[in-house]
Amino acid sequence: NAGVTQTPKFQVLKTGQSMTLQCAQDMNHNSMYWYRQDPGMGLRLIYYSASEGTTDKGEVPNGYNVSRLNKREFSLRLESAAPSQTSVYFCASSVAGGLETQYFGPGTRLTVL
Amino acid sequence: QKEVEQNSGPLSVPEGAIASLNCTYSDRGSQSFFWYRQYSGKSPELIMSIYSNGDKEDGRFTAQLNKASQYVSLLIRDSQPSDSATYLCAVNTGSGGSNYKLTFGKGTLLTVNP
Repeated sequence: NAGVTQTPKFQVLKTGQSMTLQCAQDMNHNSMYWYRQDPGMGLRLIYYSASEGTTDKGEVPNGYNVSRLNKREFSLRLESAAPSQTSVYFCASSVAGGLETQYFGPGTRLTVL
Repeated sequence: QKEVEQNSGPLSVPEGAIASLNCTYSDRGSQSFFWYRQYSGKSPELIMSIYSNGDKEDGRFTAQLNKASQYVSLLIRDSQPSDSATYLCAVNTGSGGSNYKLTFGKGTLLTVNP
């Protein structure tokens, strides 16, 4: 039981490049989330998926897109990376909803030059 | 804007002391409250969840919730150097049928000195 896994662990991009961050969970959770964490800003929600087939914007969705591929997988895409997107990205999952504990993946450290 | 505020820290306590971490929130409709611990370079891990007014104890950790005052706290008794980490308060801030969002405070860095 691996919990929440994320790939890659580290990535360096040039401005304007695109990439997809992958997230998978094996806990049979319904809800999945993408956060970014910046120094002094705390964790901020980018997008979430309450259940398979649905996605919704969080606090800071601009510049990102998501896909809930199936119940297990939730990907985050940067279409044209900008230096402001340099951050640590965490994926999380929960059984269902904000009343439930969220379990976090190990994170992806992204640098955009 | 629904907000979660934590005492900014950093907080430094001697080994064996009680560490007190505080959090206030703005959304009166919030129903669930969480404390996460995050070691440097690692992901957040859940320490405590609390849903009802009062105290909830788990080992050396006690969470306290006062919904009237919109206040939640975490006490760590007999603090150990291994408790040195950033502690994140999180509150569910969705509304209606969409209570999926957690809003996190910016965290309080705790250092326990041997």
